[in-house]
Amino acid sequence: QQQVKQSPQSLIVQKGGIPIINCAYENTAFDYFPWYQQFPGKGPALLIAIRPDVSEKKEGRFTISFNKSAKQFSLHIMDSQPGDSATYFCAASPFSLSDMRFGAGTRLTVKP
Amino acid sequence: NAGVTQTPKFRVLKTGQSMTLLCAQDMNHEYMYWYRQDPGMGLRLIHYSVGEGTTAKGEVPDGYNVSRLKKQNFLLGLESAAPSQTSVYFCASSSTPGGNYVDTEAFFGQGTRLTVV
Repeated sequence: QQQVKQSPQSLIVQKGGIPIINCAYENTAFDYFPWYQQFPGKGPALLIAIRPDVSEKKEGRFTISFNKSAKQFSLHIMDSQPGDSATYFCAASPFSLSDMRFGAGTRLTVKP
Repeated sequence: NAGVTQTPKFRVLKTGQSMTLLCAQDMNHEYMYWYRQDPGMGLRLIHYSVGEGTTAKGEVPDGYNVSRLKKQNFLLGLESAAPSQTSVYFCASSSTPGGNYVDTEAFFGQGTRLTVV
């Protein structure tokens, strides 16, 4: 079964909008929560990551919100741009990256 | 600096044929991984390696074999391809195993799109 559940599957927003992608996990051993961005024909690339000792992390226009008690985390993209159009994957990992589990992905389209 | 390079980028196989996918990294990383990506499934780990000469099974290892004879290369083999192995395959590498290390990032190659007919 999917250990990391990601929603929505696809998302369309207008330029300047704030898309939000949500993920939920079950395994309390997870302690590293990255988000990967993937453009068509390319491999995933690390966008931003958070550990459970903080509730929020910002890097530029990208913010992760983390709710440890609810076992949920989300990605917010401020002032979204057409260049942000990509597939976004959340992931969760316990001690080892070899046990990292990925969400199913969200295809984001930002319209001009 | 090339990072992680996968060869080939595309391949079509007939059922029962064999092939090897090559992954090469130039970042001197100890840890390397092979994933498959299927629609609606995210990425799933097939096999991984924690150093030259070592390999271990991941989440979906059946039907695949791997070898890490050199630190910079990680090979994924399909001995008898099946249509269920149609997928996009990604190789990744990292300098740490993860966990509490500050530098916890997996670097991915561009992928190999494999179709088994």
